[in-house]
Amino acid sequence: VLTQSPGTLSLSPGDRATLSCRASQRISSAYFAWYQQKPGQAPRLLVYGASNRAPGIPDRFSGSGSGTDFTLTISRLEPEDFAVYYCQQYGSSPQFTFGPGTKVDFK
Amino acid sequence: EVQLVESGGGLVPPGGSLRLSCTASGFTFSDFAMTWVRQTPEKGLEWVAAIRTTVGSTHFADSVKGRFTISRDNSKNTVYLQMNSLRADDTAVYYCAKLQRLQIWPDAFDIWGQGTMVTVSS
Repeated sequence: VLTQSPGTLSLSPGDRATLSCRASQRISSAYFAWYQQKPGQAPRLLVYGASNRAPGIPDRFSGSGSGTDFTLTISRLEPEDFAVYYCQQYGSSPQFTFGPGTKVDFK
Repeated sequence: EVQLVESGGGLVPPGGSLRLSCTASGFTFSDFAMTWVRQTPEKGLEWVAAIRTTVGSTHFADSVKGRFTISRDNSKNTVYLQMNSLRADDTAVYYCAKLQRLQIWPDAFDIWGQGTMVTVSS
């Protein structure tokens, strides 16, 4: 089970966003990802292997963590970054599990 | 352009069946595992099923095991989700997605389709 906090993060453009995902048991960092989803759109892969940015993802997005605690950091929020962010583990194959999401909205 | 296009969603009564299709373009389809993920406001994102490149290697979430099957036709660049014995709680937007790296399992999902809505209701 993956738990994300906070449920909602109210921030302004230019702010730093720190999103947390906690797993109920240890996960290999090789099998951990973050996704961004905007209304009416499919999720978009941001980070895989806990800390590797997917191709085309701006370097203001960074992932870190290991074991049971993982973090997605957005260094300076751009207007297009206001969205819902999901964590995912894929280490307990064949099961792929998503967290409930953190909404980043305008303060 | 790498793209996935789903089709086949719609309204179906409880106990009914539906087959979703997802056609890929812009990459060598046969080299990548494919997956289906569904989403509802209540449950969020839920992984449903996956099919690897190895013939016959399929995986299912416990919630759909025995009711759903996944298959692929590499000659048509298409992955299918056959859904039988549908229940109201199968109502969701269904996305197909591509696993990220060539013949790597498991992996993150790097390309997603636009989604197709399935509604199970009488």
